[in-house]
Amino acid sequence: EPEVTQTPSHQVTQMGQEVILRCVPISNHLYFYWYRQILGQKVEFLVSFYNNEISEKSEIFDDQFSVERPDGSNFTLKIRSTKLEDSAMYFCASNQILRDTQYFGPGTRLTVL
Amino acid sequence: AQKVTQAQTEISVVEKEDVTLDCVYETRDTTYYLFWYKQPPSGELVFLIRRNSFDEQNEISGRYSWNFQKSTSSFNFTITASQVVDSAVYFCALSESEDSSYKLIFGSGTRLLVRP
Repeated sequence: EPEVTQTPSHQVTQMGQEVILRCVPISNHLYFYWYRQILGQKVEFLVSFYNNEISEKSEIFDDQFSVERPDGSNFTLKIRSTKLEDSAMYFCASNQILRDTQYFGPGTRLTVL
Repeated sequence: AQKVTQAQTEISVVEKEDVTLDCVYETRDTTYYLFWYKQPPSGELVFLIRRNSFDEQNEISGRYSWNFQKSTSSFNFTITASQVVDSAVYFCALSESEDSSYKLIFGSGTRLLVRP
């Protein structure tokens, strides 16, 4: 069964460093999402992406964040200058049709020291 | 504004007990979708069910059942004869057709602990 994959599973970085989180959505899916979950809290929407552009972003998704689909398979989330409060689990999700179920990857745990 | 409330922060039951997880939502949209996801200790989000606002039929899948009631804006989840492997955090989520991206709005989750 096809699934969303994410790498790395855990990323440790120093405050102020840039990180890139990678996702490979399910191959025939067209809509892509990033969500964030601070430890022990709810899952929060960051950004949605379709047809090579952002369709919606939340207040969390400020100028430090960017997304890209550099090729036909990868979908990346970049944080330019990480802050301590960026420490969280980051989930990628995708679906084929907009109103369909979003399937999530296993997440990348980002720790900012 | 849309909102999902899971008032039960944590529930502890003994194996084989039945347990119901509550979910109450708010939306002005007439077409919307409700979801339940399971987050086991390993951390991934596992899809359990999707229900659209026009389908109020209750659903049963093995030991899992869902009760959708538009009149009370609730979408509750019952596990029958709970097992230790059901221990996880369960999230209820909402997406709306008026939202251009159909993003998921999650509740705060209910942590279920099933003791042997």
